[in-house]
Amino acid sequence: GAVVSQHPSRVICKSGTSVKIECRSLDFQATTMFWYRQFPKQSLMLMATSNEGSKATYEQGVEKDKFLINHASLTLSTLTVTSAHPEDSSFYICSARLGSYNSPLHFGNGTRLTVT
Amino acid sequence: GESVGLHLPTLSVQEGDNSIINCAYSNSASDYFIWYKQESGKGPQFIIDIRSNMDKRQGQRVTVLLNKTVKHLSLQIAATQPGDSAVYFCAETVDNSGYSTLTFGKGTMLLVSP
Repeated sequence: GAVVSQHPSRVICKSGTSVKIECRSLDFQATTMFWYRQFPKQSLMLMATSNEGSKATYEQGVEKDKFLINHASLTLSTLTVTSAHPEDSSFYICSARLGSYNSPLHFGNGTRLTVT
Repeated sequence: GESVGLHLPTLSVQEGDNSIINCAYSNSASDYFIWYKQESGKGPQFIIDIRSNMDKRQGQRVTVLLNKTVKHLSLQIAATQPGDSAVYFCAETVDNSGYSTLTFGKGTMLLVSP
């Protein structure tokens, strides 16, 4: 069964508004979660690493003030897309590891964001 | 944003055939590799993994081969079924200054005809 739950699965918002996406680890604690973005017919691109109790680590080119990440507990990380624009429309996917560094990432089912 | 005209490499097979999906990775320091299957509108699903101290690993109907000399990874699916139709990604783990990140390849779409 699923080990990572993501909500909502789909969201439509207007330009200029903010959207929050939740990622929960089910039945395990995740000190680190990863947020990816995927455009149609493209691969997954890592946006940021979410660290419980500390600041997220953002990949080069990802605006930290636009994509706010909060990892306040060991089972929940949130990604907030602030002042969304149509070019932010994408598939956002979170993931977490059950085990150590050399163990697979488990992914949520993604959030399809459409900004109108 | 999306690149105009970008498309995924596609492998079309008949049901019952064996499929081989290839992947070239870039970092010779990568020491852990994973294959994921992604169905439309869903997140990637773990299929099989392999560590760099191995060159072959088998699962149920799937086999992963690793050739570190040429930095090549392949996924073999035996007796391919229509339910195997999806996009397949290889991913490599690169240890960056004490924390590891997973980097995905471009992906291959597998289409299985009944």
